[in-house]
Amino acid sequence: EIVLTQSPGTLSLSPGERATLSCRASQSVSSSYLAWYQQKPGQAPRLLIYGASSRATGIPDRFSGSGSGTDFTLTISRLEPEDFAVYYCQQYGSSPNTFGQGTRLEIK
Amino acid sequence: EVQLVQSGAEVKKPGESLKISCKGSGYSFTSYWIGWVRQMPGKGLEWMGIIYPGDSDTRYSPSFQGQVTISADKSISTAYLQWSSLKASDTAMYYCVRQGPEAVDYWGQGTLVTVSS
Repeated sequence: EIVLTQSPGTLSLSPGERATLSCRASQSVSSSYLAWYQQKPGQAPRLLIYGASSRATGIPDRFSGSGSGTDFTLTISRLEPEDFAVYYCQQYGSSPNTFGQGTRLEIK
Repeated sequence: EVQLVQSGAEVKKPGESLKISCKGSGYSFTSYWIGWVRQMPGKGLEWMGIIYPGDSDTRYSPSFQGQVTISADKSISTAYLQWSSLKASDTAMYYCVRQGPEAVDYWGQGTLVTVSS
């Protein structure tokens, strides 16, 4: 199975700053089937990015995804207060699907 | 509107059996995979397995193979996750999800399972 490693584990930034989250795969992710999700306390996760770089419906354009092969990045260009949450990457190109362990984005 | 509506919270004792459900609506239930995701208290997301209701093709993550059973009844647009003998370590929130070519695009509201003597 493909192991996804996210870094950093926790990221402390201020509103207005740029956030860069990394997701590294133990082997190449098929057809860039890599997604990013945001989870806030007490809520189910929601899809932000699919296919490594396509924004899901209703997701603001300050969220962008990039990468291919084994290295992927989620960038939030200018943090809003509502962006502080936990972010997970997931690969869905090889069975079994797998998630990274998450990056907690906290207010500095 | 696409919806995945899960059954309510459960409190069980170790050794008991359990079957939780996830009813899909607002889309063709047989045309998308339905997956199950575990989230233990304060922890991350774990992929358990997935089923294609159209033909019941089912795939498990190795960590969950033999520990749970995933099934679906396409006549009532409902997927299930079941345990034959619960353990305290099964205490978690369980989400059903819809997976298509655009990743997991819909999540159920979650079913909290608590296993305690």
